[in-house]
Amino acid sequence: SQKIEQNSEALNIQEGKTATLTCNYTNYSPAYLQWYRQDPGRGPVFLLLIRENEKEKRKERLKVTFDTTLKQSLFHITASQPADSATYLCALISGGYNKLIFGAGTRLAVHP
Amino acid sequence: DVKVTQSSRYLVKRTGEKVFLECVQDMDHENMFWYRQDPGLGLRLIYFSYDVKMKEKGDIPEGYSVSREKKERFSLILESASTNQTSMYLCASSTRTSGGVETQYFGPGTRLLVL
Repeated sequence: SQKIEQNSEALNIQEGKTATLTCNYTNYSPAYLQWYRQDPGRGPVFLLLIRENEKEKRKERLKVTFDTTLKQSLFHITASQPADSATYLCALISGGYNKLIFGAGTRLAVHP
Repeated sequence: DVKVTQSSRYLVKRTGEKVFLECVQDMDHENMFWYRQDPGLGLRLIYFSYDVKMKEKGDIPEGYSVSREKKERFSLILESASTNQTSMYLCASSTRTSGGVETQYFGPGTRLLVL
């Protein structure tokens, strides 16, 4: 079955630096991969989607890459701010009805 | 903006009680999902529904049932609550975009404590 791995350890960085989060998956290659943000006590919020034929996708300070050979996606936040502190989840399709499976998420803490 | 609401933010129930968690979405989405989220385990799919009165088991359906009588409403039922069902429960909805790709919109979650 499909499995997603995200670094379970929190990532601590200084304000202004670039945060890089990793998502690795096993088995088949999905047609697309999604990234969500989750704040404590809240539901996840969709951020970005990248398709298998796209190497890179950008949205403001966010950048996502998708390497189907390595079975890996990287999520970058440039010029990070304390307000970027949250847990970031990656997700991909598994099975029929376009069900998503989610990684456990990586918690990012941006310090002033 | 899509809005997904859940009936309660916090619930405390006793072992053996029947528990109803309600979810309502206002964007006429076809698909609705129930997840539970536990530390270190991420989001796990309990049940989902792709149409009214249709339901499909997710990865961890044991101990749960669902009901979808109207398109906008998807209910999760714990037939006899147990302490191992203490968790955060998240409802989501989605529709198919023109590219055939779906993103999910989540409710705020219900934190359930079973004593």
